[in-house]
This record gives sequence, structure tokens and C-alpha cells, in this order.
Amino acid sequence: SQQGEEDPQALSIQEGENATMNCSYKTSINNLQWYRQNSGRGLVHLILIRSNEREKHSGRLRVTLDTSKKSSSLLITASRAADTASYFCASPSGGYNKLIFGAGTRLAVHP
Amino acid sequence: EAGVAQSPRYKIIEKRQSVAFWCNPISGHATLYWYQQILGQGPKLLIQFQNNGVVDDSQLPKDRFSAERLKGVDSTLKIQPAKLEDSAVYLCASSFGGVPSYEQYFGPGTRLTVT
Repeated sequence: SQQGEEDPQALSIQEGENATMNCSYKTSINNLQWYRQNSGRGLVHLILIRSNEREKHSGRLRVTLDTSKKSSSLLITASRAADTASYFCASPSGGYNKLIFGAGTRLAVHP
Repeated sequence: EAGVAQSPRYKIIEKRQSVAFWCNPISGHATLYWYQQILGQGPKLLIQFQNNGVVDDSQLPKDRFSAERLKGVDSTLKIQPAKLEDSAVYLCASSFGGVPSYEQYFGPGTRLTVT
């Protein structure tokens, strides 16, 4: 079973626009992580936000976490064609670092 | 630093055949993971090793899948016999430790097609 569910499933935007992806999860979490996957670089860790944090920035990425709503969002500002990829949220489950991934959002950024 | 290495990158086999995948994690990483990613889905953890030992294999179909990590470094994942539904990308990942705050680093994956 998947812990996180991303929304939307697919997103198509123009270069320069912002892209927002949402993730909902079911159980309490220690942290929530976002990953990007494309054919060139495989699955890459983008950012980790802890349960006691509400917002975190990394370059053009902004992640928010609302533990009361069990949801997170990933905002990519000023998107580029190179941002075209699938984006996954994932959260650890159990005592070890077992990540449970959602189904992902497929982002297409058109030049 | 060198990343997680996997081989082969692609494999096509017929159902009921066997296949093996190899993974070399980042040097010094104690924790190694094997994930299965079916087209259109997120990765699903099959097995997690902490050094030589298995800490989670709850989603590993043990009647046909096996994995080992000898000497706490390289790992192999085997499928015998393969089924059509095993067609997927098999991802290996490693992390410095097994606690939830450690980032996982993924290899390029092996794309398996079972015909």
C-alpha cells in the first residue's frame, strides 16, 4: 500500500511558470521527502522536511508540510524544461528508513 | 564520490527463466535497499539490509525472489522463476544509516522485461 498520494497525476506548464504538486499521506510521519525521477539522472532526493517544520526552501523549490491535514506541497518556481520529470513524495515507515512512495506527479515543462 | 552502481541496465527474459541483478552501494553506506518500480507507479521496497542483516523483507515474494548482501557491501537480487508481472525497474539504493533522517541514494536501475 502507498503512504503518499500525489495530486495532480500529471501537470503540463510553460517555461517560467510555477508548478505546484501536492501530497497527502495517511499515518503520522517523522519526516516527508520529495524525489525527482527522469531518464537522465534516475531517482534523486530533492528535499526533506521534518514533522516539526512547516516550510523549507532549496533553490527554486519550496516545500510546505501541514501535519494536521496530513499533506505537503512542492512548489517549483520559474520552471525550466530541465524540470520535466516525475516527482514523488515519500515518508519513512517503521523504525528503519523504509520509504513509502506515492504514485508521483508527471511534470512536463514546455519551452 | 561514486554513486550507486547497478548492472545490468536492461534485461529481457522469458517467463519461468531466472535472472540476477547486482548492486554496489556508495562506499561506507551501511544500509542497502532494493525497490521494485512498476511502470506508472512509485518504487516499492522489496528488501532492506543493515550491513549483512535483513531488517525488512515484508514485501519480498519469497517463493521466487531472494537477495543477499555478502560482507556488507555488494548485493544481488535474484528472481527464479520469473513471471510476466515481474516486468519492472529494479532500483538499488543505499544510505549512511537506517534511521529515517538519512537520505537514500539511488542507482540507475535495471529494467526487466519478462515475455
